[in-house]
Amino acid sequence: SQTIHQWPATLVQPVGSPLSLECTVEGTSNPNLYWYRQAAGRGLQLLFYSVGIGQISSEVPQNLSASRPQDRQFILSSKKLLLSDSGFYLCAWSGLAGAQTRTQYFGPGTRLTVL
Amino acid sequence: SQQGEEDPQALSIQEGENATMNCSYKTSINNLQWYRQNSGRGLVHLILIRSNEREKHSGRLRVTLDTSKKSSSLLITASRAADTASYFCAIGSNDYKLSFGAGTTVTVRA
Repeated sequence: SQTIHQWPATLVQPVGSPLSLECTVEGTSNPNLYWYRQAAGRGLQLLFYSVGIGQISSEVPQNLSASRPQDRQFILSSKKLLLSDSGFYLCAWSGLAGAQTRTQYFGPGTRLTVL
Repeated sequence: SQQGEEDPQALSIQEGENATMNCSYKTSINNLQWYRQNSGRGLVHLILIRSNEREKHSGRLRVTLDTSKKSSSLLITASRAADTASYFCAIGSNDYKLSFGAGTTVTVRA
């Protein structure tokens, strides 16, 4: 069965510090991968998605970047965090089996607080 | 890409009652999906309805889709305390992405 992992679960970082959040998927190959941000009490904002190694699409201009160094690894980064980067970050995957429907499966999330 | 808009924003019901929430969208869709999020957790996929379907059931969940009105509803019957969560509709178009609404927060009182 497929499993998605995210770490860390919580993170408190000072403004101007770098960021690296990691997401890995097990039990599937060639997944589509997604990074979302969720502000408190709000919906999900798609930040990046990837359909293959090294292929990253950015949805909104921002202080963040994403990379996919391996098939089942997706990394969200920032060189210098802003206060506005605080939020709940969710990684998700969708697979070939759901190619027509794009059903997504979510990780447990990372709570980022920038102070 | 478009977003779904859920209504109401919040809903409080007694255990055993039914909960109904709605989702509206603006353009054509491939499918519409509903997800649940417990506080501080990731989203869990509940049910998917394709654009050529009108109603689907899964356990205590019933989803309807009216493409002429560009709307969907999610009904949870015989609610339980464990149903307390936020519920999101997600619009699936002809690409790799889903567009999520802001969600309906459901509180089930014992």
